[in-house]
Amino acid sequence: GAVVSQHPSWVICKSGTSVKIECRSLDFQATTMFWYRQFPKQSLMLMATSNEGSKATYEQGVEKDKFLINHASLTLSTLTVTSAHPEDSSFYICSARKGLESYNEQFFGPGTRLTVL
Amino acid sequence: GNSVTQMEGPVTLSEEAFLTINCTYTATGYPSLFWYVQYPGEGLQLLLKATKADDKGSNKGFEATYRKETTSFHLEKGSVQVSDSAVYFCALNQGGGGFKTIFGAGTRLFVKA
Repeated sequence: GAVVSQHPSWVICKSGTSVKIECRSLDFQATTMFWYRQFPKQSLMLMATSNEGSKATYEQGVEKDKFLINHASLTLSTLTVTSAHPEDSSFYICSARKGLESYNEQFFGPGTRLTVL
Repeated sequence: GNSVTQMEGPVTLSEEAFLTINCTYTATGYPSLFWYVQYPGEGLQLLLKATKADDKGSNKGFEATYRKETTSFHLEKGSVQVSDSAVYFCALNQGGGGFKTIFGAGTRLFVKA
């Protein structure tokens, strides 16, 4: 299957700093990329959906000024957590999909563990 | 709106036991249905999928049949192994640029030796 990478795999930062997480589709061009946040009891929360060259669509309750998403190309999307606080500590997962058909699967990155001190 | 409901976990089984994880959905039209699996410390990966009614998806001994009449897509395996311990997510997608995959809450499976 297709490969999606994320970098870094884990990051520890001080409260008030910003952190950037990169998501790349390595062997395909992604029509759409998604950012999820996964909570300790495994539920997967969609944060935003983005298409290359256009603004991300954020889910209700997700602060777009705090979680900046840039979808610079068909193979790269970045999530920047601005002015991070301890409550932002979580596991962030990106996903990419090629095509717009219902049967197109999503390919997931391995996730990034963010810890804010 | 669209939604996916799957059985709460955790599910604990002994090795070689039969596994069923129930999943039901609500959707308009004809979505595609998926099971994703997340092994400890890893990202999600597709386990199997079905794109139309009565289709059966299968992979690694797991099976699920798209039942439109009962709006279900239950995951089954005849004999589980310790290595199957993971979190399983049922999901649906209706396609199109504006549509996103809807995931169930996930079911954690523990298999004991």
